[in-house]
Amino acid sequence: AQSVTQLDSQVPVFEEAPVELRCNYSSSVSVYLFWYVQYPNQGLQLLLKYLSGSTLVESINGFEAEFNKSQTSFHLRKPSVHISDTAEYFCAVSEGSSASKIIFGSGTRLSIRP
Amino acid sequence: EPEVTQTPSHQVTQMGQEVILRCVPISNHLYFYWYRQILGQKVEFLVSFYNNEISEKSEIFDDQFSVERPDGSNFTLKIRSTKLEDSAMYFCASSDAGGGAFFGQGTRLTVV
Repeated sequence: AQSVTQLDSQVPVFEEAPVELRCNYSSSVSVYLFWYVQYPNQGLQLLLKYLSGSTLVESINGFEAEFNKSQTSFHLRKPSVHISDTAEYFCAVSEGSSASKIIFGSGTRLSIRP
Repeated sequence: EPEVTQTPSHQVTQMGQEVILRCVPISNHLYFYWYRQILGQKVEFLVSFYNNEISEKSEIFDDQFSVERPDGSNFTLKIRSTKLEDSAMYFCASSDAGGGAFFGQGTRLTVV
């Protein structure tokens, strides 16, 4: 069975500062890894995903995450955050198959201070 | 851009009543899911559905829950006799063979 641990429940940062949201996973099989974002009062949006290939994946709004198999991590980073990045971020994992359920972490609330 | 749509956005029901939450998955997707998120808690898997049958379900998905794909476009979640603890945001999701699911905006279910 897979599990996901998000080490920080809340991360406050100043606007234009860099941020890293940490995620570690546990699995006995190959995995797919995801970051989802939930803006206030909205649904879950897929931010980026790692399925195979390059271990560094990027989103269209400047976030990136790196799959590190030896450390079983998939941390999310952005070099300079904006007020509009304020949201809840969920790391998630599934078995490396298209039909497998996605298991979510408990989420990290990113709050941006001006 | 194609999206998963859910109706209604908010449903209030009395304890013991049946509710049906509706979803229209992305049209060329083959895998469908329901998740729920109790206020302030993590997103929990309920059930996955493929080829007109349940492929996996969690412990939460007991006999009070059922899913159906009544036609080629809709995917529904029925709760037969709602309890107070069923109050949550319910998310429908769909995926293709590529990995990663797309979620709807959710239905907020309030049981009173």
